[in-house]
Amino acid sequence: QVQLQQWGAGLLKPSETLSLTCAVYGASFSDYYWTWIRQPPGKGLEWIGEINHSGGANYHPSLKSRVTMSVDTSKSHFSLKMTSVTAADTAVYFCARGEPTVAHPFDSWGQGTLVTVSS
Amino acid sequence: SYVLAQPPSVSVAPGKTASIPCRGDNIGSQSVHWYQQKPGQAPILIIFYNRDRPSGIPERFSGSAAGDTATLTISRVDAGDEADYYCQVWDGGIDPFSVFGGGTKLSVL
Repeated sequence: QVQLQQWGAGLLKPSETLSLTCAVYGASFSDYYWTWIRQPPGKGLEWIGEINHSGGANYHPSLKSRVTMSVDTSKSHFSLKMTSVTAADTAVYFCARGEPTVAHPFDSWGQGTLVTVSS
Repeated sequence: SYVLAQPPSVSVAPGKTASIPCRGDNIGSQSVHWYQQKPGQAPILIIFYNRDRPSGIPERFSGSAAGDTATLTISRVDAGDEADYYCQVWDGGIDPFSVFGGGTKLSVL
């Protein structure tokens, strides 16, 4: 049974860099799309981007200039960095696994990390 | 970019059938996935590729898509189905990305 466990700093000041990591247990790291999704308080889900085991990534057009994802295949970890955060980036951030199919649905999710941006 | 529209809320009496629409341009030609999210929890996948159910998801949950509307149908609704439901598609192209609908809160009366 696949498990995704995530961690990272929960309180940031404006202009700082958000950094989150997700560890994958019980699944082949090489077969899937590893994804970050966020949810502002009381709002809906927003896809941030995805990365595969070889480092190929796709990012949401509106976040592309601030987001970088990376993988550490030796540890089955993948990470998200988002620069120059503002209050609008306050959200619960989820890591998720995208199935290796054309429209890769997200079949496993991490527990979520609340990231608050406040001065 | 591709836009998915969902009603903010749907209400249904226990034991009845709930239908949650997700509207998008020619969505019937897309692959639509549906997620259920309860308060304080991560979403879970309940329907993928329009009508398939992951193992463990009851047959009461079904999906369809045609024309400009995809629909999640929940039959014999009970209190445990009260949650937010999101549709999602993959917007392919030169810079592909995933799109979620705004979500629908299902209330069981």
